[in-house]
Amino acid sequence: TQLLEQSPQFLSIQEGENLTVYCNSSSVFSSLQWYRQEPGEGPVLLVTVVTGGEVKKLKRLTFQFGDARKDSSLHITAAQPGDTGLYLCAGARPRDDKIIFGKGTRLHILP
Amino acid sequence: DAGITQSPRHKVTETGTPVTLRCHQTENHRYMYWYRQDPGHGLRLIHYSYGVKDTDKGEVSDGYSVSRSKTEDFLLTLESATSSQTSVYFCAIGDSGYEQYFGPGTRLTVT
Repeated sequence: TQLLEQSPQFLSIQEGENLTVYCNSSSVFSSLQWYRQEPGEGPVLLVTVVTGGEVKKLKRLTFQFGDARKDSSLHITAAQPGDTGLYLCAGARPRDDKIIFGKGTRLHILP
Repeated sequence: DAGITQSPRHKVTETGTPVTLRCHQTENHRYMYWYRQDPGHGLRLIHYSYGVKDTDKGEVSDGYSVSRSKTEDFLLTLESATSSQTSVYFCAIGDSGYEQYFGPGTRLTVT
């Protein structure tokens, strides 16, 4: 079974701090997506990474795909209360392009 | 805004009754998905569709059926609802097979 493990499961930090959350697997993915979900709403797509080693930036968020396309990280600089939410990673399996979701990292930024 | 709606948004039903959830899109996307989201399990794929009348099972398809007679509508049916099917159900759409745009969700309670 191809799994995506996200860590940490929960993270609570002060506004202005930096943080990194991780999405790891023992298997290769053809692409990887990051989503943010707020309470009572559906997940919202933030970014897709496709190439090993790829780095994408979205304002204060930096996403990296591992060289071997088995893992990814999301780094937030100077976190703000608006960054609070559930961050989900999802990977596409190379053999059939089916999507696997991680269980998420619940992030809480304290003002 | 991905132009995707779900109905109903909330439903309470009794064990053994049939339930149909509707997903409607205005984006003409090829792929449509049904997920359930439960604490400790994350998002799990129930069924998906890759075209009109073309559907396939996901990882938790038992007890669920789907139909897609038009590009814009994807129906999820619980033939005989059970308490284990109490969950939040999300529909998603996409064109690439991996980037997905989620609806607002349906909270289903089976008593």
